Amino acid sequence: GDSVTQMEGPVTLSEEAFLTINCTYTATGYPSLFWYVQYPGEGLQLLLKATKADDKGSNKGFEATYRKETTSFHLEKGSVQVSDSAVYFCALSDRVDSSYKLIFGSGTRLLVRP
Amino acid sequence: GAVVSQHPSRVICKSGTSVKIECRSLDFQATTMFWYRQFPKQSLMLMATSNEGSKATYEQGVEKDKFLINHASLTLSTLTVTSAHPEDSSFYICSARSLLNNSPLHFGNGTRLTVT
Repeated sequence: GDSVTQMEGPVTLSEEAFLTINCTYTATGYPSLFWYVQYPGEGLQLLLKATKADDKGSNKGFEATYRKETTSFHLEKGSVQVSDSAVYFCALSDRVDSSYKLIFGSGTRLLVRP
Repeated sequence: GAVVSQHPSRVICKSGTSVKIECRSLDFQATTMFWYRQFPKQSLMLMATSNEGSKATYEQGVEKDKFLINHASLTLSTLTVTSAHPEDSSFYICSARSLLNNSPLHFGNGTRLTVT
């Protein structure tokens, strides 16, 4: 079945460092890909998404490109801030809109130190 | 913005008892709600999909008689863990979809269940 694999955390960075969180997927069809973020004490929030190959999703300085050839959707940010500390989840859905059921990765905790 | 309230945030219960978790959409009507479960350091796993006014659809391997889901209104879905055992201890998260097409999923803050 479909699955998502993402790097284990925690990832600890200093402020203004470059961030990469790896995510790869396995799917039989052509899924849509998502990154969700969970800040401490809050629910999951959609961070960005991409619905087809070579699409780039971006939001709040984060970006990820849908790479069909490598089945990847790595999350990147050029300069992280303390406020980016959270748990990040990569997910896929076999529907274009995110309101169909999602398959999640295990989550990666990011800690950004001042 | 759209808010999903999940209650309680933490619950500790004794083995053999039942626990009810509520998921409410506070400012929108949710046609569909999803219930997820997360074990430590593992993925969120979809347990079931509930649609208002109809029976829930359970994922393979999820016991429907153990995890009772009721979606009685457009703003409330409940998950009841019946005769809970220590292996049911987990983090349960609900999410809700509004009536609007292409609207994103909104997630609750989750419920940490500990069965002693």
